[in-house]
Amino acid sequence: AQRVTQPEKLLSVFKGAPVELKCNYSYSGSPELFWYVQYSRQRLQLLLRHISRESIKGFTADLNKGETSFHLKKPFAQEEDSAMYYCALSGLKGSGSRLTFGEGTQLTVNP
Amino acid sequence: ETGVTQSPTHLIKTRGQQVTLRCSSQSGHNTVSWYQQALGQGPQFIFQYYREEENGRGNFPPRFSGLQFPNYSSELNVNALELDDSALYLCASRWEVLPYGYTFGSGTRLTVV
Repeated sequence: AQRVTQPEKLLSVFKGAPVELKCNYSYSGSPELFWYVQYSRQRLQLLLRHISRESIKGFTADLNKGETSFHLKKPFAQEEDSAMYYCALSGLKGSGSRLTFGEGTQLTVNP
Repeated sequence: ETGVTQSPTHLIKTRGQQVTLRCSSQSGHNTVSWYQQALGQGPQFIFQYYREEENGRGNFPPRFSGLQFPNYSSELNVNALELDDSALYLCASRWEVLPYGYTFGSGTRLTVV
């Protein structure tokens, strides 16, 4: 079974502080991991995917297969980062390619 | 990239009625998935279609059904609406090849009264 856990529903930091949004997963195989972001009144947008190992808007995420984690990090948070963040997992083929989402973490960056 | 559009944006229905939600995917996106997002929760997978055939289903009853058409449009149908069906319904589509990232629509907010 596919499962994604985001232990923090709410996270509040000050501008310029480091931020880490936690994500743990369970999957019997090699999953594809994603971070999606939803800004206020906007659609769900893809932020990062682990396979491309990219950095978007200063965010990075490293897949740790030993700890089955895919935490999202940013060294210096900005007010415009305030949003709902969802970690998601997908298998690679066929029906397994559906996305399984965590419950989400609401990040608030205070001035 | 905003290649997925959903209609209507908002809808109010009465318990027991039937509803059809529509999605238009980006050209070339052969896979389309539907998700239900209740308030304060992450999206929950309903089902997925690939080249007009259902190839995956989540824990939703048979009264949730769908169709995918050759022109990259799709539908989600819900019969015998219940109050708990009130949610944001999201459509997402993707290419067949890597990367596997999905593009989401803005959703349809369904309220059942």
